[in-house]
Amino acid sequence: GAVVSQHPSWVICKSGTSVKIECRSLDFQATTMFWYRQFPKQSLMLMATSNEGSKATYEQGVEKDKFLINHASLTLSTLTVTSAHPEDSSFYICSARDPPLGPSPSSYEQYFGPGTRLTVT
Amino acid sequence: AQTVTQSQPEMSVQEAETVTLSCTYDTSENNYYLFWYKQPPSRQMILVIRQEAYKQQNATENRFSVNFQKAAKSFSLKISDSQLGDTAMYFCAFMKLLPPTQGGSEKLVFGKGTKLTVNP
Repeated sequence: GAVVSQHPSWVICKSGTSVKIECRSLDFQATTMFWYRQFPKQSLMLMATSNEGSKATYEQGVEKDKFLINHASLTLSTLTVTSAHPEDSSFYICSARDPPLGPSPSSYEQYFGPGTRLTVT
Repeated sequence: AQTVTQSQPEMSVQEAETVTLSCTYDTSENNYYLFWYKQPPSRQMILVIRQEAYKQQNATENRFSVNFQKAAKSFSLKISDSQLGDTAMYFCAFMKLLPPTQGGSEKLVFGKGTKLTVNP
């Protein structure tokens, strides 16, 4: 099956610094990747959608200058949290899918990474 | 905007018994997809089952089945012969396809989840 990895799985950084999270599709080419944020005991909230070779589309309320997304290749997307603050501490999950081949929902299945826990001190 | 409601924050079931998790959604779309995802303590999201809105037949995957009522906008998940490994958070999700003017991609909207505990 399709595998998506994230690195690092856990990161601690100091307030004011930047941290980069990588999302890789290991056995397929992902034209589209998604970044979600999950607060403790809460649901996943979509932050942005990134398409390979183009700018990411951010959801309303997500600061694009704070959460920089780069999707430079068909297997790698990165999320950089700039000037991190304690309120940015959260669980960040990426997902990826390959190009849809048809109208069935399996064409739009998103394969999720294992997540990255960010703690800003 | 689409919303997904899971009215049961927590549920428990005895091993080998059957449990049903409820989900309702609100949309004006006619073409969409519905999913149930499982998130065990490892926090890895795992697809459990999916349903096309234009199909009347309820999806089934081994011990997991759904009751899809399009008019009522209801999409419940039934787990039969519950196993200890089914203990997890279960999220109902709605997906709509965005037109090219909005990026031409798709968007998953998740409910708040139901924490299911299977007791031995």
